[in-house]
Amino acid sequence: QVQLVQSGAEVKKPGASVKVSCKASGYTFTGYYMHWVRQAPGQGLEWMGWINPNSGGTNYAQKFQGRVTMTRDTSISTAYMELSRLRSDDTAVYYCARARDVVVTASPIDYWGQGTLVTVSS
Amino acid sequence: QSVLTQPPSVSGAPGQRVTISCTGSSSNIGAGYDVHWYQQLPGTAPKLLIYGNSNRPSGVPDRFSGSKSGTSASLAITGLQAEDEADYYCQSYDSSLSGCYVFGTGTKVTVL
Repeated sequence: QVQLVQSGAEVKKPGASVKVSCKASGYTFTGYYMHWVRQAPGQGLEWMGWINPNSGGTNYAQKFQGRVTMTRDTSISTAYMELSRLRSDDTAVYYCARARDVVVTASPIDYWGQGTLVTVSS
Repeated sequence: QSVLTQPPSVSGAPGQRVTISCTGSSSNIGAGYDVHWYQQLPGTAPKLLIYGNSNRPSGVPDRFSGSKSGTSASLAITGLQAEDEADYYCQSYDSSLSGCYVFGTGTKVTVL
């Protein structure tokens, strides 16, 4: 069965960076785009970007351009999301999530990781 | 900043029908991109509820249905049950700003 298992909770100081991992199993990792979505406490879902695990190509939301880097290691079926220059309003649960279809513009997200809480506090 | 607008909350008694609207624009829903819906129970990750505007994944009860027209979409829940109390989000693709996924603002469904 498809599983996305994320790394554990993090506490960071403002200005620092955080790197969240997402280990995929149960399917061909390079065959499906991986999204990153975050959710601040009590707030809605916010799309951050995607990575094509096959090519390594990425597409980031404009809001995060210059601060986010999405990478992958195909040898261990793991995707990573690194966010730099953290601020207090980056405190959120960060999810990795798999796009179901090859045509990413039309694809729903069919599997989600369990979420990683990142707390930014001085 | 969400570009898909949903009502903050809707409520209904058990057995009733409720609908959630999702209003977009000509660069997303109105451009013909599919709308998908997710259900998020408290403390859990979202779950795919409706894909491709009106299709249910295996295991989703047929009490849930979706539709799309013009620049808007809607989710209907008929025969409302206590376990339907959750947050619901629509999602589509937006062709502006080099293309991106967009989520709705989210709707809290309360079963009275």
